[in-house]
Amino acid sequence: DAMVIQNPRYQVTQFGKPVTLSCSQTLNHNVMYWYQQKSSQAPKLLFHYYDKDFNNEADTPDNFQSRRPNTSFCFLDIRSPGLGDAAMYLCATSRDRTGGLETQYFGPGTRLLVL
Amino acid sequence: GDSVTQMEGPVTLSEEAFLTINCTYTATGYPSLFWYVQYPGEGLQLLLKATKADDKGSNKGFEATYRKETTSFHLEKGSVQVSDSAVYFCALIKSNFGNEKLTFGTGTRLTIIP
Repeated sequence: DAMVIQNPRYQVTQFGKPVTLSCSQTLNHNVMYWYQQKSSQAPKLLFHYYDKDFNNEADTPDNFQSRRPNTSFCFLDIRSPGLGDAAMYLCATSRDRTGGLETQYFGPGTRLLVL
Repeated sequence: GDSVTQMEGPVTLSEEAFLTINCTYTATGYPSLFWYVQYPGEGLQLLLKATKADDKGSNKGFEATYRKETTSFHLEKGSVQVSDSAVYFCALIKSNFGNEKLTFGTGTRLTIIP
């Protein structure tokens, strides 16, 4: 019954070594989001895809990229992880993006550790 | 910019106690307001929402009323259970011509002891 699936749940990488986090959804939703949540902080939106249309937040570092090869999958690529990128990464989906009328459904998150 | 301020945790209560978690917001216009809950090891789940002033959202015994005059959306439950132990996030979203995004508070960790 899992609707938004994130793999892996825990990821350890080395400083500067590229890493990819994955998200898949069984809801057939148009919109997929990636959030970064650091310890004791609010989730922060990095970017979202509306279908194939990529929307980057203005303050998202260039080090973070995303790919959405099809409706079901979305990937977060961190090209050169720094110690400050250690966080929980949350994937979410919504059917559409029409304001507050659409619920966002979240996955369980991937906790990234950078050594 | 838009922001959400929540009551700082952690909050520890005994089972069957009354719960209030305060949430206030700053936003222009007419945002929709949400409470999300994150149980241990799980993702965020929508608990309740309200889309206009004076609306009351409710679910699983939790309630929150959208108060525009005080810019608040406080979460309440009359009698908490151990299973309510989780982190609670208040959030808002505002229509922005297709570029809407959730703005979250920092979360309040709630622990209920038997």
